[in-house]
Amino acid sequence: SQQGEEDPQALSIQEGENATMNCSYKTSINNLQWYRQNSGRGLVHLILIRSNEREKHSGRLRVTLDTSKKSSSLLITASRAADTASYFCATVKDSSYKLIFGSGTRLLVRP
Amino acid sequence: DADVTQTPRNRITKTGKRIMLECSQTKGHDRMYWYRQDPGLGLRLIYYSFDVKDINKGEISDGYSVSRQAQAKFSLSLESAIPNQTALYFCATSFGRGTEAFFGQGTRLTVV
Repeated sequence: SQQGEEDPQALSIQEGENATMNCSYKTSINNLQWYRQNSGRGLVHLILIRSNEREKHSGRLRVTLDTSKKSSSLLITASRAADTASYFCATVKDSSYKLIFGSGTRLLVRP
Repeated sequence: DADVTQTPRNRITKTGKRIMLECSQTKGHDRMYWYRQDPGLGLRLIYYSFDVKDINKGEISDGYSVSRQAQAKFSLSLESAIPNQTALYFCATSFGRGTEAFFGQGTRLTVV
């Protein structure tokens, strides 16, 4: 079964608004990563947060990690139409170091 | 040129045929992965390899096999293709433990 599950499955917002996506996972992790996928294309890495970190920023992206709740969130501030894409969380476990993806959130940013 | 290259990009094949999807990388990474993507199911791990002599099954390896011919090449084979193997297949690479992955552009496979 998949390690990470995203919520919501789909999100539609107006340009300029913030978008928040959540990811829950089941077992302890080494790190958690967020990726973006434009329709039918390969995934692109956005940000990595380690299990001993609680928050990380990269440009308009803010990621939080709560290991006690086994959850993470991705916040995109001041969204743009070009942010329209699917966003996936992926977890890396300490034991295997393989990368396991969740089912993703489809984000639509309306101009 | 792309760092992670998948061939072919699109393929239509018949049920029962053997097919090979190829992946090559110029990033010098030790780790390579094969995923399949189905609508609404995200990416599921088929096989992964941490070096040429280390190949491991992922979540959904039944019906698939792989070969790591060199550090830069990782091939996925469907020995006898079936329609429910119709999907978008991605190869990815990474360096070291738990680092970011770099993806190819994908192979869209249709089994009729």
